[in-house]
Order: sequence, then C-alpha cells, then structure tokens
Amino acid sequence: SAVISQKPSRDICQRGTSLTIQCQVDSQVTMMFWYRQQPGQSLTLIATANQGSEATYESGFVIDKFPISRPNLTFSTLTVSNMSPEDSSIYLCSVDMSTGNYGYTFGSGTRLTVV
Amino acid sequence: GQNIDQPTEMTATEGAIVQINCTYQTSGFNGLFWYQQHAGEAPTFLSYNVLDGLEEKGRFSSFLSRSKGYSYLLLKELQMKDSASYLCAVRRPSYSGAGSYQLTFGKGTKLSVIP
Repeated sequence: SAVISQKPSRDICQRGTSLTIQCQVDSQVTMMFWYRQQPGQSLTLIATANQGSEATYESGFVIDKFPISRPNLTFSTLTVSNMSPEDSSIYLCSVDMSTGNYGYTFGSGTRLTVV
Repeated sequence: GQNIDQPTEMTATEGAIVQINCTYQTSGFNGLFWYQQHAGEAPTFLSYNVLDGLEEKGRFSSFLSRSKGYSYLLLKELQMKDSASYLCAVRRPSYSGAGSYQLTFGKGTKLSVIP
C-alpha cells in the first residue's frame, strides 16, 4: 500500500488567516481525497482531487473556502481559508489503492486549532 | 442521502468476543471497509468485503450481507490495545469521474476494553 506524508501535523492559527496542508504520496495515484474529522466525529469527505482537473466538492464544501491543488500524480494541497474557530478539526488526505484488499490509505492528519 | 449506522459506544472485557454492527443505505455499493482509529491517529485499514459472507483475518473477522445492507466486525480474544474507534465505510461510485469511487463513513463505534 501507499505511504503518505502529510504536513503540518498540527498548527494553531489566528482566525481570518489561511493554512495550506500538503500531502505527498510515494507512488502515483489517480485520485486523492480530503476529509475533515471534527472532534468526536467520524470522517466527512470534503472533496476529491484528480490530477489535471478541478476538484469535486461535496455538499456543504466550496472551493473558495477549501481550495485544492493537484499539480501531479503524487502531490496535493488543501487550503483552509479565512479560518474561524468552527474550522478546528483534523484534516486528512487519503488515496485509493483500490485493488480491493489494500483499501484506502490515510495520511497522519493535520490537527488544526483556530483561535 | 447516504445513511450508515453503527452503535456509538460499546464496552467489552479483555479476552472476550465483541461484535460491532453496521447497517447502510447508500446510492450505489462497491464494497464495505472497516477501519480502526486510535485517539489522535489516522484510521488504519482492517478489512474489506465486497461479496456476501465472512472474511477472517486473525483475531478480526468481517461479515457482509448485501441484500440486508448489513455488516459486522467481530473481534476475538480482546486485548486492551483494541480500545479504539471502529469505523464502517461504504465505497460507492463517485461523480468525480467514470469508474471512480469514494468512501462514506459511519460515525464510528468507540470500543472500550476493560480488564
């Protein structure tokens, strides 16, 4: 399965600022996924990022708030823009190594606190 | 909409067996995953079922009935380190592109193993 390096692992940010989260995969993957996990909750899909096309956002998430880049098959970034305390969450990237038994692999997550 | 239900919390005794149930109603189905997530860590892959029946992997087994929209994760010989959240997730077609899929997660079951 793939190995994903995600950074930063955590950050404390002022409201109104933006944070960019990076994910680097050790192999080429077609699709990368960005999730949010709010405190005590499960994972909610923010968007799906394909290389060479615009990301596809789930209901409740918009590009202006969560712009995503996918410049090549091994890298993606998610920016959390104009942050408010409600954006305090863990953000995770994931890839689909989809040969069934390998499942989806997750980055180690970015724990974001907005003050 | 997508609906994946699992119990919020369960408690079991060290050395015992515990079964965590998951029921789902989703638009499309291409397999069901179980993940383990320890507090503060990313989810790790446990099992994948796409056909009906039982998949056994060491102390962990997972069962799927597609006609009933039902799965369970069975943990045997419980150990203290099994205390974690267990996430049920359904893979279903994504509108991000032909042949692409996405994971939708249940809210997770927090399992506490007591001596």
